[in-house]
Amino acid sequence: GAVVSQHPSWVICKSGTSVKIECRSLDFQATTMFWYRQFPKQSLMLMATSNEGSKATYEQGVEKDKFLINHASLTLSTLTVTSAHPEDSSFYICSATLGLAGVDTQYFGPGTRLTVL
Amino acid sequence: GDSVTQMEGPVTLSEEAFLTINCTYTATGYPSLFWYVQYPGEGLQLLLKATKADDKGSNKGFEATYRKETTSFHLEKGSVQVSDSAVYFCALGDSGGGADGLTFGKGTHLIIQP
Repeated sequence: GAVVSQHPSWVICKSGTSVKIECRSLDFQATTMFWYRQFPKQSLMLMATSNEGSKATYEQGVEKDKFLINHASLTLSTLTVTSAHPEDSSFYICSATLGLAGVDTQYFGPGTRLTVL
Repeated sequence: GDSVTQMEGPVTLSEEAFLTINCTYTATGYPSLFWYVQYPGEGLQLLLKATKADDKGSNKGFEATYRKETTSFHLEKGSVQVSDSAVYFCALGDSGGGADGLTFGKGTHLIIQP
């Protein structure tokens, strides 16, 4: 089956620093990748949709200058949390899809736990 | 906007019990509906899906039927096992393909006791 990895699996950083999270599709080319955020005991909230070679589309209320997304290749998307603050602490999850018409399946990474001190 | 409501957990059952996890949705158009499962320490995995009204998705003994009239997609299993212990998420996506993000419910933590 399709595998999506994330790196790192967890990260602790100081307030004001930037953190980069990688999302890779290991055995397929993903035309579209998604970034979600999950607070404890809450649902996953879509942050942005990333298509290879184009700018990401952000959901309402998500600061694009705060959460920088780059989708440089068909197997890699990165999320950079800039000038992180404690309120950015969360579980960040990516997913990838072939993006073919009629194919709904998204393959999810295991998530990255970010803790900002 | 679109939303998904699923029953709060945790749900604790004995092995071989019958399982129902309720899920209802609000959406414009004709969404596809999904159940994802998250085992401890792992990423979400697609359990089953249905893309149109009256479709039944099934996998690993789990079933869910897309009920447009009641806007529901309840998850059922006739006899649960300890290995089914996990968090289950109901989700919807716009019809037409995987190019759209999913809207998730809050998740239901299922605990199966031997």
